Amino acid sequence: GQQLNQSPQSMFIQEGEDVSMNCTSSSIFNTWLWYKQDPGEGPVLLIALYKAGELTSNGRLTAQFGITRKDSFLNISASIPSDVGIYFCAGQAEVQGAQKLVFGQGTRLTINP
Amino acid sequence: DVKVTQSSRYLVKRTGEKVFLECVQDMDHENMFWYRQDPGLGLRLIYFSYDVKMKEKGDIPEGYSVSREKKERFSLILESASTNQTSMYLCASSPAGKAGNTIYFGEGSWLTVV
Repeated sequence: GQQLNQSPQSMFIQEGEDVSMNCTSSSIFNTWLWYKQDPGEGPVLLIALYKAGELTSNGRLTAQFGITRKDSFLNISASIPSDVGIYFCAGQAEVQGAQKLVFGQGTRLTINP
Repeated sequence: DVKVTQSSRYLVKRTGEKVFLECVQDMDHENMFWYRQDPGLGLRLIYFSYDVKMKEKGDIPEGYSVSREKKERFSLILESASTNQTSMYLCASSPAGKAGNTIYFGEGSWLTVV
C-alpha cells in the first residue's frame, strides 16, 4: 500500500530551539495533514494543507505542501515545553471512491528545559 | 465538544482470549475507523466502516474483525489474542465524504497480551 517516510523519528532539543520535520512519499496526495499526539491522548489536527505549494501557519507552527504533492514539512519555532509529544504527518487521497488517510511513522519530540 | 470514547484505556489479556475494544462517538459521524499505533510504524488502519453494518478492510486486518450494529458504536474484536497484537489501538470517526481535516480520535486503548 501507500507509505509515507517521516523523519526524523525522534528529536531531542533545548527549549527555544526551532524544529523541522518532514514527510515524503512515492505517491501523490491531494491533502497533507499534520497531527500532534500528547502523551496518553489521541492525535489532534494541527494544520491541513490542500494545494500544492501552499504554506500555512498556525501560531509558531508552519507547514508546507510540496510542489510535487509528494512531500510536506512542518516547522516549529521557539519551542516550549508543551510542544513535547509525537507529531504525525498524513496524506489523504481518494482510493476507490473513498478518502483514505496514510500516516507517517511519527516524530517524537523531547525538549530539555 | 466532540467526543470519541474508548471504554477501556488499559487491558491485559492472555494469549488465546477473545478481546473486545469498544468505541462510541457522539457526533453522528458516518465513518468510523480502528488504527493500531506502534513505535516506528505510526498509525496503521485495521478496519473502517462508512455506515451501520458496513465494514471495509484496512491495511492490516489479519487477526481482527469489527462490528457496527449502531451508528455511534464501532467494536474491534480479536478472536484469539496473540502477543504480537500487544499495541495501542486508536478509534476515530469522521463525517461522510470527509477524512483528514474532520477526523477525531479517541484517547487510545493500551492492550497487552501475555
